[in-house]
Amino acid sequence: QVQLQESGPGLVKPSETLSLTCTVSGTSFTNYYWSWIRQPPGKGLEWIGHIYYTGRIDYSPSFKNRVTISVDTSRDLFSLKLSSVTAADTAVYYCARLDILISDAFDVWGQGTLVTVSS
Amino acid sequence: EIVLTQSPGTLSLSPGERATLSCRASQFVSRSYVAWYQQKPGQAPSLLIYGASSRATGIPDRFSGSGSGTDFTLSISRLEPEDSAVYYCQQYGSSPRTFGQGTKVEIK
Repeated sequence: QVQLQESGPGLVKPSETLSLTCTVSGTSFTNYYWSWIRQPPGKGLEWIGHIYYTGRIDYSPSFKNRVTISVDTSRDLFSLKLSSVTAADTAVYYCARLDILISDAFDVWGQGTLVTVSS
Repeated sequence: EIVLTQSPGTLSLSPGERATLSCRASQFVSRSYVAWYQQKPGQAPSLLIYGASSRATGIPDRFSGSGSGTDFTLSISRLEPEDSAVYYCQQYGSSPRTFGQGTKVEIK
């Protein structure tokens, strides 16, 4: 069974860097893109970016100056760093698998982790 | 960036009825690269439809998608209580991948 699990601090101070990790199990790490998507409380979904196991990356322009996504294929995990956070970055952050072989859609999601930006 | 507008905002229907959800794109979506997701309260979204009309693995045939160009539709026939959720469309024809704002389906 494919599983994705987000981990990281649930509280980040304004102007600091949000850091999350997604651990992948039950699936090959290759042949997929690995994505971060967020959802502010009570609002819709926002794609942040994704990374291929080779390190090829695509970021949303909305985050391009603040975001870094990296991958560690030896440990089957990928990470998100979002710098200079403000209260507007408070959201549930999801990691998801992007299946480029069949659907080219987000076919497996983590359960999500709430990150609150507050002093 | 392609903006997706979903309508209606909320749909309130009875079990057994048919739901029709609309997703309109601000620009042409190439190759009908539109997906639909279902999100129940407190849960992550789950993939229903990709490529505008292909059902994801394990999705019952009560769920169907259609459309091309800028207009896409998700239909749910024979509504069941467990279909109560928010439904999002998403385009991946061009970067950045964008989502609609969602349609909430309530079962009376």
